[in-house]
Amino acid sequence: DAKTTQPNSMESNEEEPVHLPCNHSTISGTDYIHWYRQLPSQGPEYVIHGLTSNVNNRMASLAIAEDRKSSTLILHRATLRDAAVYYCILRYEKSNNNDMRFGAGTRLTVKP
Amino acid sequence: DGGITQSPKYLFRKEGQNVTLSCEQNLNHDAMYWYRQDPGQGLRLIYYSQIVNDFQKGDIAEGYSVSREKKESFPLTVTSAQKNPTAFYLCASSIPGQGAGANVLTFGAGSRLTVL
Repeated sequence: DAKTTQPNSMESNEEEPVHLPCNHSTISGTDYIHWYRQLPSQGPEYVIHGLTSNVNNRMASLAIAEDRKSSTLILHRATLRDAAVYYCILRYEKSNNNDMRFGAGTRLTVKP
Repeated sequence: DGGITQSPKYLFRKEGQNVTLSCEQNLNHDAMYWYRQDPGQGLRLIYYSQIVNDFQKGDIAEGYSVSREKKESFPLTVTSAQKNPTAFYLCASSIPGQGAGANVLTFGAGSRLTVL
């Protein structure tokens, strides 16, 4: 199974951009890259996903390397409410989600 | 607003007792899931169901049971056979299928179970 590697923790200053990296060197051609985040004592929430091209939505941007072996979640202006654990997950295109596995993720701390 | 409701939010249980955690969704999603999360850890899949009256074991199903009698509901019972049940339990749902738009998980707020 394709797996992901993320730093355990990162820090950012409020109102500065944050780049959260994810390595997935064994990704296959039909694996989508998903990002979720989990605020303290809450369930995870979907952030963004992509396959090959960079993606933007109201929450974040996803930059995918040309070889797809890594990706970066970009928060353009971090706020205190962005402090959370961020999970990078690979999902096979035809998955029925029984293979969705959330690792330890990256704990983002935002300093005022 | 559509979403997933988990109850209770906090639950205390004595050793040897079974407890049932409720999960209800009004998103019209076919698939539902139960995850367990221990402090500082990721999520581990307990059970999942792709359709009414059908469900499959995940990675850590021992000591747990589920039912799926209605599309909207997927209750989880933590039985006395579960050796270390104290954890944060998360329910999720999705529209199963293929392609980019499907399979995004929507989670509930979680239920925190403490065994005394």
